[in-house]
Amino acid sequence: QSVLTQPPSASGTPGQRVTISCSGSSSNIGSNTVNWYQQLPGTAPKLLIYFNNQRPSGVPDRFSGSKSGTSASLAISGLQSEDEAHYYCAAWDDSLTGVFGGGTKLTVL
Amino acid sequence: EVQLVESGGGLVQPGGSLRLSCAASGFTFSGYELSWVRQAPGKGLEWVSYISSTGNTIFYADSVKGRFTISRDNAKNSLYLQMNSLRVEDTAVYYCAREGGTTMLAFHYWGQGTLVTVSS
Repeated sequence: QSVLTQPPSASGTPGQRVTISCSGSSSNIGSNTVNWYQQLPGTAPKLLIYFNNQRPSGVPDRFSGSKSGTSASLAISGLQSEDEAHYYCAAWDDSLTGVFGGGTKLTVL
Repeated sequence: EVQLVESGGGLVQPGGSLRLSCAASGFTFSGYELSWVRQAPGKGLEWVSYISSTGNTIFYADSVKGRFTISRDNAKNSLYLQMNSLRVEDTAVYYCAREGGTTMLAFHYWGQGTLVTVSS
């Protein structure tokens, strides 16, 4: 049972906009910033979004992040086949531990 | 180019010990915070431990506290994870990850991972 709650799966067709939610509590998302990772099969995770809504250089602007209260969302617009991957949210917790969501498997139909 | 290369994984019996290493290059090692993150086979990501740039501040996940020890040698550009009293549930790929210096848990760089298998 992960501290941050994500839907186990999501799907969309090419060109669509998809959102993935991440729900936490006042001790993690509610008081710290949220980061998002993409993990393709057999590879290390890749940082997509940090500080709630900042994109590292090289990440397309199709990816965006937002946070409100104790929840956060990752939005992917103009869905592409190469976006099929697992997505994880992550945040620091005031108990001095790092917490991840359980992950969402995105399928491009 | 930033590179993080883990080593030291392998097969170990329950109750045994293993020491993981992460060799870093391509950046000023002593200026960055580092963490270990693991992923059990077919499962999600789990943060394991954090160490500040100087090594003075260290945090652990409850699941490994008292059994694992994180350390770094800034002169050797290396990060370590000493794992004792290993359990079957510690079986995972262990990643070394570098923070970007802006916010916690924002790992801008990852190693390729090293597999630790705890089994009798």
